[in-house]
This record gives sequence, C-alpha cells and structure tokens, in this order.
Amino acid sequence: GDSVTQMEGPVTLSEEAFLTINCTYTATGYPSLFWYVQYPGEGLQLLLKATKADDKGSNKGFEATYRKETTSFHLEKGSVQVSDSAVYFCALSGSGGGADGLTFGKGTHLIIQP
Amino acid sequence: NAGVTQTPKFRILKIGQSMTLQCAQDMNHNYMYWYRQDPGMGLKLIYYSVGAGITDKGEVPNGYNVSRSTTEDFPLRLELAAPSQTSVYFCASRAGTSGYEQYFGPGTRLTVT
Repeated sequence: GDSVTQMEGPVTLSEEAFLTINCTYTATGYPSLFWYVQYPGEGLQLLLKATKADDKGSNKGFEATYRKETTSFHLEKGSVQVSDSAVYFCALSGSGGGADGLTFGKGTHLIIQP
Repeated sequence: NAGVTQTPKFRILKIGQSMTLQCAQDMNHNYMYWYRQDPGMGLKLIYYSVGAGITDKGEVPNGYNVSRSTTEDFPLRLELAAPSQTSVYFCASRAGTSGYEQYFGPGTRLTVT
C-alpha cells in the first residue's frame, strides 16, 4: 500500500536558518502530494501541494517540488522564524482517485529558537 | 463560513461508555473523513464518506461507527469505549474536484480511563 516517510524530529534551528524537511513516498500511479502544518492545540492546515511531477508548491516562503524520479517532496524554507515552530506532516492522496483519504507521514516537530 | 467544526473539544470517558463525536461542514463538500492522531504516529483514517448515505471503512475502523444522513454532518460513534481509543480525533472534508486537499476541523481530544 501507499506510505510516506519523513525525517524524525524534533528539528531545532536558529532563527533565519535554512530549513529542509525530507519526505519520500511509495505509491502506485501518480498521487498528489501535500504538506500540512499543525500548530499546538490546533487542527491541520494545508501549507502547500503539488498534483503532478515537477510541480512546485509554495506558500508563506515554504517550497516543495514533486520529484517522481526520486519519489520525494522535500519541504524547504530559506529563512525560518520563531512563528514557524510547529509539527509538519507530509501526505499523499491515493492515485486511485483520493476518495479513501490521505496517507500521512509521522510528522516532524520543528523548533525555532530566537 | 465556519469551515469544519467539531464538538466537543475535550471529553473523558470511562471504559465501556459510549459517545458521539460531532462533525459539520458548511462548504457543501461531498467527501468527509474521520482520522485519529496518536503521539508520534501521524494520522490514521477511521471512516470516510463520499456523499450522503454512503460510508466506507478506512485503515482503523474497529470500535467505531459512522452515519451520513446529510451533506453537512458526519458523526462518529464510539461504542463500548476502550483505553486504546484514547486519541485526538480529526474530521476533514474536501470538494469532489481535483487536487484532493482536505480541510480539517480543530479536533476532539478523547481520554478513556
């Protein structure tokens, strides 16, 4: 079945550092890929998405490129802020139409220190 | 436009009790989902629905039931609560169009003791 693997946390960085959170996936066909963010005590918010190979999703300074050849969707940001501290989830929708929900990675807890 | 709403926010149950977690969305989305989130484990799909009157099991359906009588509401029923059902429960919805992104509610934190 489909699966998502993302780097274990917590990841601790200083403000203005460069961020990379690795995400790789296993899926049949051509899934859509997502990054969601969860702030403490809240639900998940869509951060960005990509629906086909070589697409780049971007939002709030975060970027991720859908790489089919390496089955990856790594999240990057050039200069992180304390307000970016949260848990980040990589996810995919099944290539069979997506009706059966998203498959999530375990999440990466990001801590940004001032 | 409230998006996806869930009630209650918190609940403590005794073993063997039953309860219903409420979920509603006002975006006229056909697809709705229930997930549970356990620490360090990501989210697992419990049940989903592709429209009123149609539901199906996800990855971890045992101990739960759902119904979908309207487009807006998708309640999750726990019968005979067990400690293994201690978790945070999220409801989500999406439109029946391409892109497949889901919109999540704020969650219900359930403790079974």
